[in-house]
Amino acid sequence: AQKITQTQPGMFVQEKEAVTLDCTYDTSDPSYGLFWYKQPSSGEMIFLIYQGSYDQQNATEGRYSLNFQKARKSANLVISASQLGDSAMYFCAMRYYGNQFYFGTGTSLTVIP
Amino acid sequence: GAGVSQSPSNKVTEKGKDVELRCDPISGHTALYWYRQSLGQGLEFLIYFQGNSAPDKSGLPSDRFSAERTGGSVSTLTIQRTQQEDSAVYLCASSLVAGGTTDTQYFGPGTRLTVL
Repeated sequence: AQKITQTQPGMFVQEKEAVTLDCTYDTSDPSYGLFWYKQPSSGEMIFLIYQGSYDQQNATEGRYSLNFQKARKSANLVISASQLGDSAMYFCAMRYYGNQFYFGTGTSLTVIP
Repeated sequence: GAGVSQSPSNKVTEKGKDVELRCDPISGHTALYWYRQSLGQGLEFLIYFQGNSAPDKSGLPSDRFSAERTGGSVSTLTIQRTQQEDSAVYLCASSLVAGGTTDTQYFGPGTRLTVL
């Protein structure tokens, strides 16, 4: 069963504007963690932000924020003031107690100057 | 504070040859993961090590794939009798502990394997 769904294979955003990358997840476990990673063309996976299922507030890390809607099982990534260097693949991932992370198929973001 | 390192960065081999890919995790990280990423795809879990426990091999696609982790640190992923469909980027990640929902994985730069 698909545990992480990213429905946007590709997104475009104008430089300096905000963009939202969608992620929905599926789990019946009440305790889980949600992660976003960035993968530039160099190939390395870079950790961006984390949200715990029990966290009361949405996570923020600099220009990154996570719009966590638990009832809807969504964990969208918001990037504010987009920069050219934000052009990359973005992966949403989930972890609950156990060994594995479950990754979505990714969203390719292109920032237009 | 070095991150996760992997070697080689690129490997080109002929079909039928064996290859070894190396991962050196972040010092002190007890958990180590191997993933495979085919072109334009997401990450496919391969294998997971946690301390001295038996590894979780549930993601290995065939018995041609194996991995070991010596001394709880460096890991080697071995692919025997490589096939063209093995061509992919192999990513290694490590985390401080394992099993907790807050446990963040940190990735290496990957090894790009091309099987001719």
